[in-house]
Amino acid sequence: SQQGEEDPQALSIQEGENATMNCSYKTSINNLQWYRQNSGRGLVHLILIRSNEREKHSGRLRVTLDTSKKSSSLLITASRAADTASYFCATVGDSNYQLIWGAGTKLIIKP
Amino acid sequence: EPEVTQTPSHQVTQMGQEVILRCVPISNHLYFYWYRQILGQKVEFLVSFYNNEISEKSEIFDDQFSVERPDGSNFTLKIRSTKLEDSAMYFCASTGHQLSYEQYFGPGTRLTVT
Repeated sequence: SQQGEEDPQALSIQEGENATMNCSYKTSINNLQWYRQNSGRGLVHLILIRSNEREKHSGRLRVTLDTSKKSSSLLITASRAADTASYFCATVGDSNYQLIWGAGTKLIIKP
Repeated sequence: EPEVTQTPSHQVTQMGQEVILRCVPISNHLYFYWYRQILGQKVEFLVSFYNNEISEKSEIFDDQFSVERPDGSNFTLKIRSTKLEDSAMYFCASTGHQLSYEQYFGPGTRLTVT
């Protein structure tokens, strides 16, 4: 089954710096999504990128997708303390609609 | 803004007991999902539900699990005889139509089996 794997597992940066997280997956996809999870809370959808797209922006978020390498990156620019959370990538395959999740990156923004 | 709600927020049960986790999806959504997240691990897909029947399920979703949409608003996950390894956060999600792909998640129910 396809599987998203994020790296790094944990990332700690100073407020104002950019944070980059990466995700790799194994099989062909229809789209890839990034979600945020604050500690002990629910999952919040951030952005979706389709397999025929290479880059997408939403506010301070920039997502890239390289289907030849089966990888994606999430860049958060000008990080804020409120961005502290775990970030997950999740993929949707060509023949089903379930989300297959990566292990997540724990992002800590130091004030 | 409409949101998915889940009750209870925390459920403690003894091994072997039945539990029912409840979800109220966004009112005009048609596709419903359950996921679970064991502490410190990945989120795992359990089941999807559309038009009053299961459309997809994972290997985790065995005979101990069942889902139901008993009325026009609730979507429930039942675990018949809980095991210690069922302890996890259970998330319900919904989406308006399959092609939208973006799923809206509830806050989760933390299930603790003792």
